[in-house]
Amino acid sequence: KAGVTQTPRYLIKTRGQQVTLSCSPISGHRSVSWYQQTPGQGLQFLFEYFSETQRNKGNFPGRFSGRQFSNSRSEMNVSTLELGDSALYLCASSLDQPQETQYFGPGTRLLVL
Amino acid sequence: SQQGEEDPQALSIQEGENATMNCSYKTSINNLQWYRQNSGRGLVHLILIRSNEREKHSGRLRVTLDTSKKSSSLLITASRAADTASYFCATDGGSRLTFGEGTQLTVNP
Repeated sequence: KAGVTQTPRYLIKTRGQQVTLSCSPISGHRSVSWYQQTPGQGLQFLFEYFSETQRNKGNFPGRFSGRQFSNSRSEMNVSTLELGDSALYLCASSLDQPQETQYFGPGTRLLVL
Repeated sequence: SQQGEEDPQALSIQEGENATMNCSYKTSINNLQWYRQNSGRGLVHLILIRSNEREKHSGRLRVTLDTSKKSSSLLITASRAADTASYFCATDGGSRLTFGEGTQLTVNP
């Protein structure tokens, strides 16, 4: 089976812009989780989607949003970008529950200037 | 704060030596997982140990879990330069995985 894929791999944006990141889970996996990783804060949970519904949400402002499509692919959007949003954004999929083994994509590295 | 906390934050050893990393957590869990991350890339799942298990092996990896002390350890035996990476523990507190801050392991050839 193909692994988790994320596009794009690298992005450079300026403050105030918005960005959309995409994640394709492993075939058959229905749970998709998103994480933000920065040197200062480590791995922070953003949200988790299952069957097109947001099932769980981390402690991030409303500028961070996401969605999941019927084929389990997921997107996350960040509006009104801030310098502090520069990070590695990781997507992970699991069969049904996020507490199970998660399979991570390679990440999207976002730089906000 | 993070559910899991790894110790030490950084570890540097010579090839062939064993590496031990520890993880402490705060609330009750159903399982605890260890992941590896090579520089700036996605995480790779290493091993999952359930709360009713005390020890688990996978190749050169040995994981122990002590639920009474709310702690786990990851032992990598006969380390190789390719083991150089960050290692994270993750606990399933609630309906999500919560990751610790990681241990940066450097294996010198």
